[in-house]
This record gives sequence, structure tokens and C-alpha cells, in this order.
Amino acid sequence: EVQLVESGGGLVQPGRSMKLSCAASGFTFNNYDMAWVCQAPKKGLEWVATISYDGSSTYYRDSVKGRFTISRDNAKSTLYLQMDSLRSEDTATYYCARHRYPGICFDYWGQGVMVTVSS
Amino acid sequence: DIQMTQSPASLSASLEEIVTITCQASQDIGNWLAWYQQKPGKSPQLLIYGATSLADGVPSRFSGSRSGTQYSLKISRLQVEDIGIYYCQQASSAPYTFGAGTKLELK
Repeated sequence: EVQLVESGGGLVQPGRSMKLSCAASGFTFNNYDMAWVCQAPKKGLEWVATISYDGSSTYYRDSVKGRFTISRDNAKSTLYLQMDSLRSEDTATYYCARHRYPGICFDYWGQGVMVTVSS
Repeated sequence: DIQMTQSPASLSASLEEIVTITCQASQDIGNWLAWYQQKPGKSPQLLIYGATSLADGVPSRFSGSRSGTQYSLKISRLQVEDIGIYYCQQASSAPYTFGAGTKLELK
């Protein structure tokens, strides 16, 4: 059974950093591109970033470029999102998601982790 | 960026009724379109990929279609467990944008 379990969320002050993790199991992690998708409270879904199966390529939405870094450790089957210079508008639930192969949609999602940026 | 215009924003329907939700892409995305269902307090679940292909485990009452740059999700006979918010997503090019969502309620 595919499982994606996020951790690392919480309350953080504006301008500070936070690192999210996503532990994957039930599939061959290093065969799949992975992503982070966020959802602000009572709002819709927004793609944040994608990393290729081997970590060689990364893609970001414009609003997080230069502030967020997606990475992975295939030996540990874990996906990460390093979030720096956090802003109040980054407040959201962050989902770890697996890219469907082939294709760019998301076939499995974690339960999500809440990040609140507030002083 | 590719814009996905989803309609309606909300929809109230009766059990066993046919429900249709549409998404209009701002440019050609071919069949790179997915549909998701999100139940209250839960993560999104993939329903349809490639505009018309049913994801694993999804009931056959769900179907997807395409006409040019307009995409539709159809529920043939609405069930109680279908209540939630539905999102389309273009998978053609980054940033992978979602529609604003359609909230489906029981009448």
C-alpha cells in the first residue's frame, strides 16, 4: 500500500525557516517524480514544486523560487521541502504527492501538514 | 501560466442525478488534464487522468471527456459518498495549475 506521511509543520514567525519531510513507503520511491502541493485555509490547491525521480531536476512556482528548496533522499525514501524567508501568505496545508507515471498528475497524496506563518 | 476556469463554483444535486462539472483551459493542453475529489478534512484523490482515463479504484459512474480546450467530469448517478469539492488540473506544463474547485452538495 502506497503511503506518504508528512511531518515538520507548525507555527513559525515571518522571515524564519521551516523544513517539511515526507516519508514514502509501499512503492519504489526512486522510480517516481515527487511534488509538494499546498492549500491555504478554505482555498483551492496550488502546486508548489516538483523534483525528478533522481533529484537532478527541480521546478518551482514563481512565488516560492529562491525561497523554497525541494530535495529528496532516495536511500531513505524521503522527500523534503526547505522553506526559507517565510511569509504570511505561505500559510497553508502542505501535501506531499507522487507524480503518476507516465504523466504529470498526482496519483497519491499524503495526509498533509499545516504550516502557519504568524508573529 | 495556463489558466483553468472551472464551473460551476457550487452545485446542489439530488441522489441518482447526473452531475456535470466543466473546466476551460486558456490554451491547448491536449489530454493533459486530471480531475480530483476532495472530501471534507481529507486529501485530494485522483479520479481521472489523461482527460478520460479512470484512476484505479474509482467507480465507473465517474467519467471524463474533452471537446477542444473544454473538459468535463460527469457523475452518472450521484451517490452520498460523492459529496465534496472537485478540482481539475492541467498537467501540460509547469506551473501545474488547478481550477478553483466545484463544491458539490446534496439537494
